[in-house]
Amino acid sequence: EDQVTQSPEALRLQEGESSSLNCSYTVSGLRGLFWYRQDPGKGPEFLFTLYSAGEEKEKERLKATLTKKESFLHITAPKPEDSATYLCAVQLQGAQKLVFGQGTRLTINP
Amino acid sequence: DTEVTQTPKHLVMGMTNKKSLKCEQHMGHRAMYWYKQKAKKPPELMFVYSYEKLSINESVPSRFSPECPNSSLLNLHLHALQPEDSALYLCASSREAGEKLFFGSGTQLSVL
Repeated sequence: EDQVTQSPEALRLQEGESSSLNCSYTVSGLRGLFWYRQDPGKGPEFLFTLYSAGEEKEKERLKATLTKKESFLHITAPKPEDSATYLCAVQLQGAQKLVFGQGTRLTINP
Repeated sequence: DTEVTQTPKHLVMGMTNKKSLKCEQHMGHRAMYWYKQKAKKPPELMFVYSYEKLSINESVPSRFSPECPNSSLLNLHLHALQPEDSALYLCASSREAGEKLFFGSGTQLSVL
């Protein structure tokens, strides 16, 4: 069965304290992996697409990386406005829907 | 235009009411989706439309009835809902089914 697992479930950091969020996957055929950011009561906002192992994408304080088994979302020197839930989702070969992880709730304290 | 627009943003309804949620996109996407999301959970797929035809129904109760009048519009008709149906309802679209999703801002539904 295709499975996507995110860890940790929740993470609290101090402003400026860098860390990483993990998304591990066990799927039959990966076409792509997506990272989204979601604020409370809002729809998920697209951040990155990764297609192949070794690929990296960056945007401001965020960097996403991909291996054959997992993806990391690295956050460098975070600010309080980076507080949100971060979701990863996997695109499968021949499938009409994405498989989502459970999300990581990130809180950055000033 | 890279937006998916959902209306209304908030909806309160009684268990005997009939209401509809609306979604619109003008990106030329051929797939549109309805998701339901409870607090602190990921979005849960309800329906997928591909080229205006229903292609996936994730065993959703018949009190939820989707409709795709054309390639830009998606509706979700609600009837005789239960309090446990209270949730954030998200519409999304993608170029083709199964590809990167673009989400709307959602409708926060409360069933009393």
